[in-house]
Amino acid sequence: DAGVTQSPTHLIKTRGQQVTLRCSPKSGHDTVSWYQQALGQGPQFIFQYYEEEERQRGNFPDRFSGHQFPNYSSELNVNALLLGDSALYLCASSSPGLAPDTQYFGPGTRLTVL
Amino acid sequence: AQTVTQSQPEMSVQEAETVTLSCTYDTSESDYYLFWYKQPPSRQMILVIRQEAYKQQNATENRFSVNFQKAAKSFSLKISDSQLGDAAMYFCAYTPTNTGNQFYFGTGTSLTVIP
Repeated sequence: DAGVTQSPTHLIKTRGQQVTLRCSPKSGHDTVSWYQQALGQGPQFIFQYYEEEERQRGNFPDRFSGHQFPNYSSELNVNALLLGDSALYLCASSSPGLAPDTQYFGPGTRLTVL
Repeated sequence: AQTVTQSQPEMSVQEAETVTLSCTYDTSESDYYLFWYKQPPSRQMILVIRQEAYKQQNATENRFSVNFQKAAKSFSLKISDSQLGDAAMYFCAYTPTNTGNQFYFGTGTSLTVIP
């Protein structure tokens, strides 16, 4: 079992560009959550996808959007990148029928905006 | 508002000694879970231990144990017999049972283990 995988590992973009990050959940998990972890901070919840719909959303602007595919994999899209979007983006997978401690995190994508 | 506070940005401990990391949280919910996660330089967030709020007994996982004080909204992590591999960022996290796994994290404590 590969666990939660994310791609790419690192990414460098310039202000105003758009970026897409990808996540494949752990086998058997159907829910994907995305978190933003700025340098020296704890992760902050962006949104969660279940059954291909956004189920919950944190305090992030509409520039942050996502998608979930029928195979439960997910994408995070960020438009009009700002310098402040530089962070580690973590994906976590889980399943509604399981206890919260079964939320597994991926290794993250490090996004640098220049 | 639901917040998690870790007041110790950095801690250090001698190898084989014991260290305690502090965490407080604020919530109006009565049913929730608390967690400690470890994030080594490799970045992978690893679950260390969890506590269910309705359980009065403190959780224990091998060398890791918690002191859960629900009335005080305090949730500290004790690491016994510290090992070099314990060096990492430690995050305290909280999730209410009705949010489908939306986690709230503290700002983390960087733990150094001194040989």
